[in-house]
Amino acid sequence: EPEVTQTPSHQVTQMGQEVILRCVPISNHLYFYWYRQILGQKVEFLVSFYNNEISEKSEIFDDQFSVERPDGSNFTLKIRSTKLEDSAMYFCASHPRGRGTDTQYFGPGTRLTVL
Amino acid sequence: RKEVEQDPGPFNVPEGATVAFNCTYSNSASQSFFWYRQDCRKEPKLLMSVYSSGNEDGRFTAQLNRASQYISLLIRDSKLSDSATYLCVVNRGNSGNTPLVFGKGTRLSVIA
Repeated sequence: EPEVTQTPSHQVTQMGQEVILRCVPISNHLYFYWYRQILGQKVEFLVSFYNNEISEKSEIFDDQFSVERPDGSNFTLKIRSTKLEDSAMYFCASHPRGRGTDTQYFGPGTRLTVL
Repeated sequence: RKEVEQDPGPFNVPEGATVAFNCTYSNSASQSFFWYRQDCRKEPKLLMSVYSSGNEDGRFTAQLNRASQYISLLIRDSKLSDSATYLCVVNRGNSGNTPLVFGKGTRLSVIA
């Protein structure tokens, strides 16, 4: 069964450094998302992406964050200057079509630790 | 009021027990409803979608009450492998890019 993949599984970085989290969505999917989950808290929406542009972003997704689909398969989340509070699990998700009832499939996540 | 509210638990039940989880949501425009399961430090995985008519998948039954903005999940004959956090999830609308809104989850521990 096709699945969403994410790399790395764990990233440790120093405060102020830039990180890029990578995702490969399921190949025929058209809609892509990033969510994050701070330890012990709920999963929170960051950004959605369709047709090579951001569709919607949350208040969390400030100027320090950016997303890109550099080629036909990868979908990346960049944090320009990491803060301690960016430490979280970051999940990429995708779904195939334009219906809200479609299942969003989640990748295994990247655990980001900012020291 | 939180967008999606769940009892955090934990629910500690013996194997074979029946357990029910409830969830309320605040946005009356929500169109799609789901239960996801999340194991410790893993990604959320879809357990089942929830329809107005109610739906059943093996030991799992989900119900939706739009008037009360209330969603439930019933697990019958609990197994040890059902131990996880159960996430109530709603979709804000029915268009393609609508993000999911998650509850904080209800923890279930099934004990031998």
